[in-house]
Amino acid sequence: AQRVTQPEKLLSVFKGAPVELKCNYSYSGSPELFWYVQYSRQRLQLLLRHISRESIKGFTADLNKGETSFHLKKPFAQEEDSAMYYCALRRTGNQFYFGTGTSLTVIP
Amino acid sequence: DTGVSQNPRHKITKRGQNVTFRCDPISEHNRLYWYRQTLGQGPEFLTYFQNEAQLEKSRLLSDRFSAERPKGSFSTLEIQRTEQGDSAMYLCASSLTGANTEAFFGQGTRLTVV
Repeated sequence: AQRVTQPEKLLSVFKGAPVELKCNYSYSGSPELFWYVQYSRQRLQLLLRHISRESIKGFTADLNKGETSFHLKKPFAQEEDSAMYYCALRRTGNQFYFGTGTSLTVIP
Repeated sequence: DTGVSQNPRHKITKRGQNVTFRCDPISEHNRLYWYRQTLGQGPEFLTYFQNEAQLEKSRLLSDRFSAERPKGSFSTLEIQRTEQGDSAMYLCASSLTGANTEAFFGQGTRLTVV
């Protein structure tokens, strides 16, 4: 069965500090992994996907198949990064499975 | 706004009543998903369609829930004989088929059963 675990419900960091949001998954096949973000009063939107290997808004995420992790990182947090972050896994061509989310607060 | 549209945005209903929600996906998207989200949880999968075909239903989708996408465009989610436990945010998303395609979400319909 597919499962996504985000161990931290709440995470607070100071502006300018590095931030890492953890995501671990369980899936026997080759997963598609995504990070979605929800800013206050906005809809859920894609932040980045592992296949793209790109940096979006300064965030990166590396798929580590050995550790079954897909942690989201940013070297210098900004106040506008405060939001709810969801890690999601998809079996190719099927539905998305979401973690329970991490609420990030960046303290000025 | 050419994104995914959901109506109504909010619905308050009495226990035992039936409710229906509508989702209009992005026009060229052939995949449509329904999710439910309760406080402190991530979106939980309910069901999804490819065009008009309902391909998978979660065990969360009891017999009181039914979803349709009659012409492969908009979709409706109906809950019959609502219970207080049905109170949640119901999210709709759409995507293209294919690997690594992202899902675009609507703003959701918040259901409160009193």
